[in-house]
Amino acid sequence: ELKVEQNPLFLSMQEGKNYTIYCNYSTTSDRLYWYRQDPGKSLESLFVLLSNGAVKQEGRLMASLDTKARLSTLHITAAVHDLSATYFCAVTSAYSGAGSYQLTFGKGTKLSVIP
Amino acid sequence: ETGVTQSPTHLIKTRGQQVTLRCSSQSGHNTVSWYQQALGQGPQFIFQYYREEENGRGNFPPRFSGLQFPNYSSELNVNALELDDSALYLCASSFGRGGLEQFFGPGTRLTVL
Repeated sequence: ELKVEQNPLFLSMQEGKNYTIYCNYSTTSDRLYWYRQDPGKSLESLFVLLSNGAVKQEGRLMASLDTKARLSTLHITAAVHDLSATYFCAVTSAYSGAGSYQLTFGKGTKLSVIP
Repeated sequence: ETGVTQSPTHLIKTRGQQVTLRCSSQSGHNTVSWYQQALGQGPQFIFQYYREEENGRGNFPPRFSGLQFPNYSSELNVNALELDDSALYLCASSFGRGGLEQFFGPGTRLTVL
């Protein structure tokens, strides 16, 4: 059974600081996703990482993937209040026999950026 | 291009009742996946429909069932509602069984009293 663990689950940081969220997964997967969710809202796709060593950046967020370690990181640079949200990583596994790709999510990291 | 839409936005039911949630997929997408997100948790995969057939199911009991229509819209039906069914239900559409990205709708907030 595929398991996805994120840490930390809660993160309070000051504006201007840097921090990293970690995502570990238990079995081989070929796709890793990062999503953002604001309170009461749906999921917004941030990054899709497909290969070992993949790195993607958008604004103050940078995501990387190490498939050998089964680890992805989401690095936040010089945080601003607008980044306050819950961040989820998700990994796909091919559903045996049917070929569908279901997403298995971590529990999420609730980020609060304090002015 | 129209995004993923869901209805209703909010719903309140009592234990034992039945509920139907609806999802319209993004234009050009033929696959719909449903997820349940309990408060404070990550979404959990319920099932996926591809070209009107179930194409994968998570660890949910049979009282969770679904349909996909020829226009690729979809319904999630839950019978004999339980208190623990209270959650945000998200649908996501994609193209093909192994579509690279799933695009999520705004969700339906179900409260079971």
